[in-house]
This record gives sequence, C-alpha cells and structure tokens, in this order.
Amino acid sequence: SQQGEEDPQALSIQEGENATMNCSYKTSINNLQWYRQNSGRGLVHLILIRSNEREKHSGRLRVTLDTSKKSSSLLITASRAADTASYFCATDGGYNKLIFGAGTRLAVHP
Amino acid sequence: GAVVSQHPSRVICKSGTSVKIECRSLDFQATTMFWYRQFPKQSLMLMATSNEGSKATYEQGVEKDKFLINHASLTLSTLTVTSAHPEDSSFYICSARGPSGGALDTQYFGPGTRLTVL
Repeated sequence: SQQGEEDPQALSIQEGENATMNCSYKTSINNLQWYRQNSGRGLVHLILIRSNEREKHSGRLRVTLDTSKKSSSLLITASRAADTASYFCATDGGYNKLIFGAGTRLAVHP
Repeated sequence: GAVVSQHPSRVICKSGTSVKIECRSLDFQATTMFWYRQFPKQSLMLMATSNEGSKATYEQGVEKDKFLINHASLTLSTLTVTSAHPEDSSFYICSARGPSGGALDTQYFGPGTRLTVL
C-alpha cells in the first residue's frame, strides 16, 4: 500500500523557475528517498535523507524533512526542460522494502 | 554505479499464455530484489520481495500462484505472469538492493517491462 500522498499531482512550469514538490507519510521512518522516473522508464535515485537530518542538497536539488509533520519537500532550482519527469518519494517499509508516494508529474516548458 | 537490467523491455502476448520477465544485476550481487507493478500515471506498488535461494515474500493481495518469482542466483530474479489476462497488462519494474548492505541502502531500478495482454 502507498505510504502517503504527494502534492501537487501535476506541476507545469517554465524553464528557469523553481519547482517544489511535497510528500507526506503516515508512519515513523528511518529515512526518506526521492526518485525520478522519465516516462515509461525505470526509476533513478536522486537523494536520501535520514530521519535525523532536516535538509540535504545535491546540485540543483534541495530536500527537507520535517519528521514532526511527517512531510518532506523536494525543490528543483532553475529547472530545465530535461527535468520533465515524475518524481516520487519513498519511505522504508521495513525489511528493506520501499513504499512509494503517489508522485508528482512535472512538466518544464522551454 | 550499480546497473540493473530487465528483459524483455516490451512484450505483447495472448490471453492465457505465460510470460517470463528477467531482472539482472549486472555488476553486483543482489541477495534481495523487489518486483513492482505500475499502472499508467500511478505510483509503484510493491508486489513481492525476491530472496536468493528462498521463497519470495508476497505483499497482501498479490497472488503467488499467478506471479511466480524465482531468484536462482545472486544476479538473476525472474517474474512469471502465469495465464495472463488483459487486467495483468501493466509496467513491471524490478529493483535490487545496493551491494554494500544495510538498511539505508538505496535500491537500483531496472528500466521496466511493458506487458500488454490481448
């Protein structure tokens, strides 16, 4: 079963703008990960943030985690058309399983 | 980085036939692999955990006799959709735990297999 919700479900922006996606989850976690999926393809791991971390950066990506609110956000700065994809958060579901959120479909227009 | 492949990438079959999908870890050994299915514009739903040398662990609601999983080696897991029906049409994705072990490891995903049952 899915762990939680992501919003927005779809996001459409212009190149150069920032894109923010949010993820909420229901149970306690050890870590939260963000993945990207291009249409009809597999998933690519973007970033992992541990429960004792509040913020993490990787290039143009910034992830925050608020365990008190059971939520995380992914910010993509200075977006590019190549960033067009679906983005999923995933939490550890025990036994090394990943439980995915519903995902946000991001469209970046040139 | 760790690479996971899937074969075939796309398969079309007739209703009632069985289809086998392979998932391979190309440059590392994976004692644990995972199988997901994904419907259009939806998220990934975990179907089962595949353990090398032992029986797979299926998620609630997934028919183990319908979706046969064999993890015969440290680099190969197979998913066989038996007596496929149109409602089994979906995108099937496998993943493998990274080689270094530990609960915080990321998973590496295959490119997926698009199954269409006519």
